[in-house]
Amino acid sequence: QITLKESGPTLVKPTQTLTLTCTFSGFSLSTSGVGVGWIRQPPGKALEWLALIYWDDDKRYSPSLKSRLTITKDTSKNQVVLTMTNMDPVDTATYYCAHGEWELRPSFDYWGQGTLVTVSS
Amino acid sequence: EIVLTQSPGTLSLSPGERATLSCRASQSVSSSYLAWYQQKPGQAPRLLIYGASSRATGIPDRFSGSGSGTDFTLTISRLEPEDFAVYYCQQYGSFLTFGGGTKVEIK
Repeated sequence: QITLKESGPTLVKPTQTLTLTCTFSGFSLSTSGVGVGWIRQPPGKALEWLALIYWDDDKRYSPSLKSRLTITKDTSKNQVVLTMTNMDPVDTATYYCAHGEWELRPSFDYWGQGTLVTVSS
Repeated sequence: EIVLTQSPGTLSLSPGERATLSCRASQSVSSSYLAWYQQKPGQAPRLLIYGASSRATGIPDRFSGSGSGTDFTLTISRLEPEDFAVYYCQQYGSFLTFGGGTKVEIK
């Protein structure tokens, strides 16, 4: 049974760096084809993909946010960490992490519950 | 970057009716890399369709996906009360993108 859960601050100040952790179970991020991604959703708006890290440590970033994002994995802890620098109120959103088997079913098939991050002074 | 445009923005239908949702890409997308999700208020998205037409585990067969190239469609053959939600398409190429969503609401 695959589960994922996001954790991190609920409130950050403008210009600060956000660090979110995705802790998962039920799969290994060292298995070929597996990847974990981050997606966000501002209140009342659409989903926006942020970053994706693969089993082989290959990484992909949204072109529009690439300069602000870093995604890393700790396979031994079953965690994926996303950092986003220079936070702004427009970054207020629910942040999700999600699992995918990108060689078999290219899609996010399991999602965490999401964590709401508010950017405000 | 491939842009996905979903239409209509809102679809007002009654239970039992057929829903047809469109997803148009700004460039050709491999059918293998087109997915559809359902999202209800306060919940995370749920995968419905991957590879343009393959249903995810546990998804009822009233949901079907089709299309190729730049035009893809999600069809719900007969709407059940639990199907009223927002639906997103997503493509996976060098980068991923989501469409803006279609809300299916009760008429």
